[in-house]
Amino acid sequence: GESVGLHLPTLSVQEGDNSIINCAYSNSASDYFIWYKQESGKGPQFIIDIRSNMDKRQGQRVTVLLNKTVKHLSLQIAATQPGDSAVYFCAAPYSSASKIIFGSGTRLSIRP
Amino acid sequence: SQTIHQWPATLVQPVGSPLSLECTVEGTSNPNLYWYRQAAGRGLQLLFYSVGIGQISSEVPQNLSASRPQDRQFILSSKKLLLSDSGFYLCAWSKAGVDYNEQFFGPGTRLTVL
Repeated sequence: GESVGLHLPTLSVQEGDNSIINCAYSNSASDYFIWYKQESGKGPQFIIDIRSNMDKRQGQRVTVLLNKTVKHLSLQIAATQPGDSAVYFCAAPYSSASKIIFGSGTRLSIRP
Repeated sequence: SQTIHQWPATLVQPVGSPLSLECTVEGTSNPNLYWYRQAAGRGLQLLFYSVGIGQISSEVPQNLSASRPQDRQFILSSKKLLLSDSGFYLCAWSKAGVDYNEQFFGPGTRLTVL
């Protein structure tokens, strides 16, 4: 079956450093990927998305890289701040464009 | 702008009691609607989704049911709660008929079954 997963359940970075959160997927036909941020006790919030016809997309302090050859994507957060502490999920559509499957999440913690 | 509401925010229920969680969306029409459950420290599991009034698809066999009595209202129910029904329940919506479509999540309901 299709799966979307994350490489590490936790990641600790120094405040001000860059964070890199990784995700692997199994379905080579996946053509759209989304990153969500979930703060404690809240619902996930959309961060950035990328279509399979792109290999890089940049937002405000975030960059998503897509490597279709190895079915891997990453979320890079520049100059990590305390407010970036959260669980980060990658997600991709499955079965139909109406449904998405979520990875298990990486908890990002920031060291002062 | 669109907003999504869920209530209650927290709920503590005894085993065997009924459940009704409500979700409403404002500022859009004919959205796709979703119910997810999130166990502590885990990812999101899709429970139900709906593409229109009265149209419900169940993703996993379970003790829960969903209904969509109005276009922007989605209800999650159970006749008799189990301990394993505890979790964080999230409602989400997305635009219908659009590819490359993100989902927007509500604030969630934390359910504890004792």
